Amino acid sequence: AQTVTQSQPEMSVQEAETVTLSCTYDTSESDYYLFWYKQPPSRQMILVIRQEAYKQQNATENRFSVNFQKAAKSFSLKISDSQLGDAAMYFCAYRSYGQGGSEKLVFGKGTKLTVNP
Amino acid sequence: KAGVTQTPRYLIKTRGQQVTLSCSPISGHRSVSWYQQTPGQGLQFLFEYFSETQRNKGNFPGRFSGRQFSNSRSEMNVSTLELGDSALYLCASSLGIGPVTEAFFGQGTRLTVV
Repeated sequence: AQTVTQSQPEMSVQEAETVTLSCTYDTSESDYYLFWYKQPPSRQMILVIRQEAYKQQNATENRFSVNFQKAAKSFSLKISDSQLGDAAMYFCAYRSYGQGGSEKLVFGKGTKLTVNP
Repeated sequence: KAGVTQTPRYLIKTRGQQVTLSCSPISGHRSVSWYQQTPGQGLQFLFEYFSETQRNKGNFPGRFSGRQFSNSRSEMNVSTLELGDSALYLCASSLGIGPVTEAFFGQGTRLTVV
C-alpha cells in the first residue's frame, strides 16, 4: 500500500519570503500522480499543483513549484513571495495511475503553514 | 458552474443513531469519493463511486456505507454511531474518466457524535 509522509506538522514564513514544505512517499508503482492540496479555515480542499510521475520536469503554477525527485520518492512544495492568503493546511497526496480508473487519493497528515505579516 | 455541494454542513448525533450525508457533484462529473478527516488519523479514504457502482473501498467497518444515484449524487450512511465517528466528512467529485482528472472537494459535513 502507498503511504505519504509530511514530516513538518507546522511551518511559518514571513510575508514575501519563500518556504518549502516537504513530502515523501512510498510506492512500488512506476506510474502515479502527486498533488499538493491547500485547506484554508473554510475547510474546502483546493488543488494547488500536480505532478505526473512520468514527467521529469517539475510542475509550476505561478508562485508555487515542486521539486520532484522520483528516485528519492520526494515531492516538496515551494511557495515563493508568500502572501497572507497562503496560510492554510497543506496536504500532499498520491494517486495511482490506472487501477481501473480509481480516483482514490492517499494523503499525508498535513503541514500547517502560518504566514507572518 | 456550481461546485460540489455537501449537506448538511453541521450535524450533531447521539451514539447509536444513524446518519446520512449527501453530496451533489459538479454537473457532468460521474465519480464521487468520500473521505473522513480527523485530527488524529488525518484524511482517510472511505469509498468511491462511479456511475452508480462502488469502484473502490477504504478500510472502514461495515457501518459505513454509501451509494450513488443515476444523477451522480451520492449519499453515505453511518449506522450505530460511535464517538470516534466524529469527524469532517469530505466529498470529492471528478469526471472519473481519463488518465488524470482533477478532484474538486466540497466544504464537508462536520459530524459530532455525543
